[in-house]
Amino acid sequence: AQSVTQLDSQVPVFEEAPVELRCNYSSSVSVYLFWYVQYPNQGLQLLLKYLSGSTLVESINGFEAEFNKSQTSFHLRKPSVHISDTAEYFCAVYTGGFKTIFGAGTRLFVKA
Amino acid sequence: EAGVVQSPRYKIIEKKQPVAFWCNPISGHNTLYWYRQNLGQGPELLIRYENEEAVDDSQLPKDRFSAERLKGVDSTLKIQPAELGDSAVYLCASSLSGDSSYNEQFFGPGTRLTVL
Repeated sequence: AQSVTQLDSQVPVFEEAPVELRCNYSSSVSVYLFWYVQYPNQGLQLLLKYLSGSTLVESINGFEAEFNKSQTSFHLRKPSVHISDTAEYFCAVYTGGFKTIFGAGTRLFVKA
Repeated sequence: EAGVVQSPRYKIIEKKQPVAFWCNPISGHNTLYWYRQNLGQGPELLIRYENEEAVDDSQLPKDRFSAERLKGVDSTLKIQPAELGDSAVYLCASSLSGDSSYNEQFFGPGTRLTVL
């Protein structure tokens, strides 16, 4: 069975510092990988996705994630965070059959 | 273009009462999903519709939960009777229908249910 593990439930970080949110998955088949962001009292928004091709994918607001097949990881990084990046981030895996499996989420808290 | 619309945004009810949530997907999206998101967890699929047909309801607790999408557009999720453990955020999402390829899901803002 497929599963997604987000290793940190909360990540506090100072503004302008770098951050990495970790995600590992388990699957016996090829996967598509995603990061979603959820701001307070809002639904999930797709941040970035890996479907195929380059293993490094980027979002429009400075986040990037790298698909590492050998380590079954898809960690999310940003070199310099802003207060507005405070949100909950969900890693997700799609393996076909219209089913997306979500991790438990990592709450990123950016402090001034 | 309007996104996925859900109502109400918040609902507080006593246990054993019924409750219903409504979702209007993005126009043209034939696939509709209902998810439940417990506190501190990621969303978990309850049911998926292709047009008006429920094609995956394996995770829907059928003793108290029901859903419908009569005209293949908007959908209603109902709980009757509600239990304390049903307190969660109920998310609706929609996507273009497809075969086995991936189609991006777009999520609504959710309905936060509190059962007292």
